[in-house]
Amino acid sequence: LAKTTQPISMDSYEGQEVNITCSHNNIATNDYITWYQQFPSQGPRFIIQGYKTKVTNEVASLFIPADRKSSTLSLPRVSLSDTAVYYCLGNTGGFKTIFGAGTRLFVKA
Amino acid sequence: NAGVTQTPKFRILKIGQSMTLQCAQDMNHNYMYWYRQDPGMGLKLIYYSVGAGITDKGEVPNGYNVSRSTTEDFPLRLELAAPSQTSVYFCASSYSGELGDTQYFGPGTRLTVL
Repeated sequence: LAKTTQPISMDSYEGQEVNITCSHNNIATNDYITWYQQFPSQGPRFIIQGYKTKVTNEVASLFIPADRKSSTLSLPRVSLSDTAVYYCLGNTGGFKTIFGAGTRLFVKA
Repeated sequence: NAGVTQTPKFRILKIGQSMTLQCAQDMNHNYMYWYRQDPGMGLKLIYYSVGAGITDKGEVPNGYNVSRSTTEDFPLRLELAAPSQTSVYFCASSYSGELGDTQYFGPGTRLTVL
């Protein structure tokens, strides 16, 4: 199972771009890299997933280098409502999915 | 679609009491999961199910039981509640357990055992 390591917490200001890097040195060939977001008092929700290179959607971008040993979640121009915990998963699917402690992002005015 | 729903939202139990946390999904997902989340921590898998009539233990199953009689419902039973079971419980579902599959979570049940 792919073990991931990410910063415990990060602070940012409104309007800034936030990049959260996750390392997953032992990621398997078939594993996807998936990021979830969890607001206080809510369940996690899927935000983005990729296998290699770059993926972009309406919420975030995900950058994955060729060796796939790390990935970076990029949140453009954050607002106060982006304050949440962000989980990086080396997702092998189903019951093998492991949620670590995540990165607590605090956006200040 | 309502997605994944959970009841109740909050509950306080006394030590030794029992209760059932309800979970339902209307997305016709085969896989369902129960997690617990302690303060400041990640989610730990309690039990999961790959379809009606099939359940299996996760990382922390002791003190809990589950059943899956229908595709839609996946209740979690706590027998003889203990203070260590004070936590937030999340139910989730996914279409399959295959690589790249994503999970959809309910709003959670906050349980306190006193």
